[in-house]
Amino acid sequence: AQTVTQSQPEMSVQEAETVTLSCTYDTSESDYYLFWYKQPPSRQMILVIRQEAYKQQNATENRFSVNFQKAAKSFSLKISDSQLGDAAMYFCASSDTGRRALTFGSGTRLQVQP
Amino acid sequence: DGGITQSPKYLFRKEGQNVTLSCEQNLNHDAMYWYRQDPGQGLRLIYYSQIVNDFQKGDIAEGYSVSREKKESFPLTVTSAQKNPTAFYLCASSIGGGLAGRETQYFGPGTRLLVL
Repeated sequence: AQTVTQSQPEMSVQEAETVTLSCTYDTSESDYYLFWYKQPPSRQMILVIRQEAYKQQNATENRFSVNFQKAAKSFSLKISDSQLGDAAMYFCASSDTGRRALTFGSGTRLQVQP
Repeated sequence: DGGITQSPKYLFRKEGQNVTLSCEQNLNHDAMYWYRQDPGQGLRLIYYSQIVNDFQKGDIAEGYSVSREKKESFPLTVTSAQKNPTAFYLCASSIGGGLAGRETQYFGPGTRLLVL
């Protein structure tokens, strides 16, 4: 079975600073996708960024970027110029074509200090 | 506006009662999913469906049932066999088809189920 591990239950960052959230995964698939989702206090899950494993270039979306290390099975999320609205739970997920669904990690709660 | 709706927002269940959570999407997606989220934890897959009239059990299907009679709808029934149903339930959908399991999932706003 696939596993996704987020080893940081909580993180804190000062407004305007940069923070990196860690994620490791275990998959036997060769063609897979990785995702970061954000869950703010409203509890609505929002896609932050997506990475296709066969692409060596790291994905970026405005202030959000990933550091994808395929050999190490690591997929960290970097948030630059942190804003108060970035405070949320962040979930890492990997695709699972075997059961045709996503496997989620346990989440990292990010606090942003003004 | 295209999206996923879930109702009700809050649901209360009495002992021995079955309750049904609604999930509707107008994104023309083939695939739909149900997840359970317990406090401070990640999402666990209950059931998923890649096409109408077909669905598969996820990791924690015991005590739950689903149907997929229409492409737009994927209701989840929490049966009396589910002994600890208090949780936040999220419905999601994705395009499905050839990318099944690899495409982005889009989520509804969730239903909070509480036991009286």
